[in-house]
Amino acid sequence: QKEVEQNSGPLSVPEGAIASLNCTYSDRGSQSFFWYRQYSGKSPELIMSIYSNGDKEDGRFTAQLNKASQYVSLLIRDSQPSDSATYLCAVNENSGAGSYQLTFGKGTKLSVIP
Amino acid sequence: DGGITQSPKYLFRKEGQNVTLSCEQNLNHDAMYWYRQDPGQGLRLIYYSQIVNDFQKGDIAEGYSVSREKKESFPLTVTSAQKNPTAFYLCASSIVGTLNQPQHFGDGTRLSIL
Repeated sequence: QKEVEQNSGPLSVPEGAIASLNCTYSDRGSQSFFWYRQYSGKSPELIMSIYSNGDKEDGRFTAQLNKASQYVSLLIRDSQPSDSATYLCAVNENSGAGSYQLTFGKGTKLSVIP
Repeated sequence: DGGITQSPKYLFRKEGQNVTLSCEQNLNHDAMYWYRQDPGQGLRLIYYSQIVNDFQKGDIAEGYSVSREKKESFPLTVTSAQKNPTAFYLCASSIVGTLNQPQHFGDGTRLSIL
């Protein structure tokens, strides 16, 4: 059973601080990784994707991938109260015959304190 | 605007009743997916389809059925065999055949038992 693990939180950070969200995955063959943000009562929204080892930056968000350690993280710089949400890590895995499926972690709830 | 439309937003089911959740997309995506989300839980895959007139069971298909008669539409029926249907149901779509394509979600349908 392929697994994606996240700390459920809640993770509380003060406004303006860096929030660090972590995710580990079990399938060494996984090649693409996504972070979704989900506000309470709403559907997930894609915020970052990463495919190669290293860092990928987009505005205040940085995704980090280490395939050797099977670890992917999301850093949010200058955290704002509007960043308070649940962050879902998703790993794309080959399920055979050109078919790919996303396996989701349970999410980390982030609370940014004003 | 291109997107995924789910309806209704809220749905109530009586004992022994089948209900159908609608999902329509105008993104010209080949692949469509249905997920179930329970409070504090990640997304669990119910069914997915990569091409018209073909679909595959996900991890929790029992008590559910789908059809894919048109590329744009992927309705989900929650049958009376599903004994615990109360959940948030999410439809997603993606480009098929390439590993790096993320899934995009509709706004979801909340199903409850009367």
